[in-house]
Amino acid sequence: DIQMTQSPSSLSASVGDRVTITCRASQGISNYLAWFQQKPGKAPKSLIYAASSLQSGVPSKFSGSGSGTDFTLTISSLQPEDSATYYCQQYNSDPLTFGGGTKVEIK
Amino acid sequence: EVQLLESGGGLVQPGGSLRLSCAASGFTFTSYAMTWVRQAPGKGLEWVSAISGGDGITYYADSVKGRFTISRDNSKNTLYLQMNSLRAEDTAVYYCAKYPYGSFYYYTMDVWGQGTTVTVSS
Repeated sequence: DIQMTQSPSSLSASVGDRVTITCRASQGISNYLAWFQQKPGKAPKSLIYAASSLQSGVPSKFSGSGSGTDFTLTISSLQPEDSATYYCQQYNSDPLTFGGGTKVEIK
Repeated sequence: EVQLLESGGGLVQPGGSLRLSCAASGFTFTSYAMTWVRQAPGKGLEWVSAISGGDGITYYADSVKGRFTISRDNSKNTLYLQMNSLRAEDTAVYYCAKYPYGSFYYYTMDVWGQGTTVTVSS
């Protein structure tokens, strides 16, 4: 199975800050990488697919990049409603696997 | 609007069975692959199973293979997960999710349901 490693596991940032989360795959996955946002007690929400394509309705402050084994999710200007846990997921190989999550908090 | 509504969760004893349902609306259900993903209390996300649209090809995580069965009734726009021989480690919130196409190969889910809670305990 492909292992997905996210860093950091948590971060605290101020409103308006630019936030970057990293995801590394244990082997190359081309651009078959997705990002999900999950708020406490809620279902995950799909943000990005194919490493950098935004799902319909997702604000442009979210962006993704990367290919191969190294990927990033960036929030350009952090807002209170962005407080959540973010997960990366690879879908290049079965079984689908998720990263351990990055909890983003507002200072 | 695409909506997915899970039901069927509850408390079950180890070794018992439970069937989860996911009622879909707002899209042509038969045309899309569907999947189940679970989340143990305080833990991350774990993919469980998937089924393609149309031909109904299925796929399972090793942790549930031989115990869980995914199926769909396209006439009822409903996805199911039959869970047998349940273990304490199956305790989780179970989410159904939709793929953007009929196949699940090289695609990821785009819409999620709100989840249903399964607790396996004596």
